[in-house]
Amino acid sequence: AQKITQTQPGMFVQEKEAVTLDCTYDTSDQSYGLFWYKQPSSGEMIFLIYQGSYDEQNATEGRYSLNFQKARKSANLVISASQLGDSAMYFCAMREGVGSGTYKYIFGTGTRLKVLA
Amino acid sequence: NAGVTQTPKFQVLKTGQSMTLQCAQDMNHNSMYWYRQDPGMGLRLIYYSASEGTTDKGEVPNGYNVSRLNKREFSLRLESAAPSQTSVYFCASREEGWISPLHFGNGTRLTVT
Repeated sequence: AQKITQTQPGMFVQEKEAVTLDCTYDTSDQSYGLFWYKQPSSGEMIFLIYQGSYDEQNATEGRYSLNFQKARKSANLVISASQLGDSAMYFCAMREGVGSGTYKYIFGTGTRLKVLA
Repeated sequence: NAGVTQTPKFQVLKTGQSMTLQCAQDMNHNSMYWYRQDPGMGLRLIYYSASEGTTDKGEVPNGYNVSRLNKREFSLRLESAAPSQTSVYFCASREEGWISPLHFGNGTRLTVT
């Protein structure tokens, strides 16, 4: 069965430094997608970045980049130049095909990031 | 541009009561999802609907029913609430496409006493 693992329950980073949040996945599919979401203390889920399994280049969106290592089945989120507003819970997710063009999304347990001033 | 709208935002129920959580999206998406979020467990899929008229069970469907009323609306019903259903519930939708993210509503915080 497909699975997403986030092994860091909590992390601290100094403001303006870079931080990497780990995500490993397990799937037997050849075609899949990986996503990162941010959940601030206000509770909403904010989509950050995605990577397709066939993409050779690592995805980037502003200060976010996804370090995709297919052979190691990892999809780590890198946040550069951390800001106080980056303090939040971060979830890694994977799109899982269930046939006929239908997809489910499974989530990891999340990493809570605290940015220190 | 409302996106995905969930009602209510908060709800307190007594054990055994029933209620329906409402979800509507205005993005013309076919696929819709219900998740629950519990501390330390991430988001777990309850039910999903690939299109109007179809629904399928996710990881934790017991104690819930769903209705895909039309393309816009996907409701989640608790027939007889239990304290174990205390959680934050998220509705989400996605557009068609090989890689497309979920768009989430703002969640419903449900407490069952």
